[in-house]
Amino acid sequence: AQSVTQLDSQVPVFEEAPVELRCNYSSSVSVYLFWYVQYPNQGLQLLLKYLSGSTLVKGINGFEAEFNKSQTSFHLRKPSVHISDTAEYFCAVSDRGGAQKLVFGQGTRLTINP
Amino acid sequence: NAGVMQNPRHLVRRRGQEARLRCSPMKGHSHVYWYRQLPEEGLKFMVYLQKENIIDESGMPKERFSAEFPKEGPSILRIQQVVRGDSAAYFCASSPPRDRGGEQYFGPGTRLTVT
Repeated sequence: AQSVTQLDSQVPVFEEAPVELRCNYSSSVSVYLFWYVQYPNQGLQLLLKYLSGSTLVKGINGFEAEFNKSQTSFHLRKPSVHISDTAEYFCAVSDRGGAQKLVFGQGTRLTINP
Repeated sequence: NAGVMQNPRHLVRRRGQEARLRCSPMKGHSHVYWYRQLPEEGLKFMVYLQKENIIDESGMPKERFSAEFPKEGPSILRIQQVVRGDSAAYFCASSPPRDRGGEQYFGPGTRLTVT
């Protein structure tokens, strides 16, 4: 079984500042890792995913994440945020075989202040 | 290519009524997942279906909930005799048949309110 912990439930930052959203996971098997974004009253949109290979993954909207196997982390970063980045961000894992169902963290609400 | 479609977007039911939530996967996708998002919580897996088969229903409540994905037509999540605790957003996601480790594409969700 897998579990995901997002260490911050809310992160307020000023516009154009850098941001890091933290995610740690636990699993007894190899996993795939994902970050999704949810804007108010909408579904989830994939930001980026790690399947294998380079541990630094670049996604849409200027986001990137780094997979750290030894620390079982997959933190999301953006060097300069915009007001439009205000949303809920979910880290998720799935096993590499079987159903590949997603196990989500509790979410981090990113609020960008002008 | 249309995305994952869910309807209705909003559904209000009185306690004891039935709720039927529909999900049409993206064209060419044969795998459907249902997730539930309770207020102020993350998404929780409910069930994984392929055409005419339930593959994994480990996240489904034991009673009142059922799901199907028929050969023709949308996937249906059915909740019988709804209670206030069923109020949540229900999301459907689909993925293509051979895209192992790939993205699940999410629909906009159905927000169920039980009064």
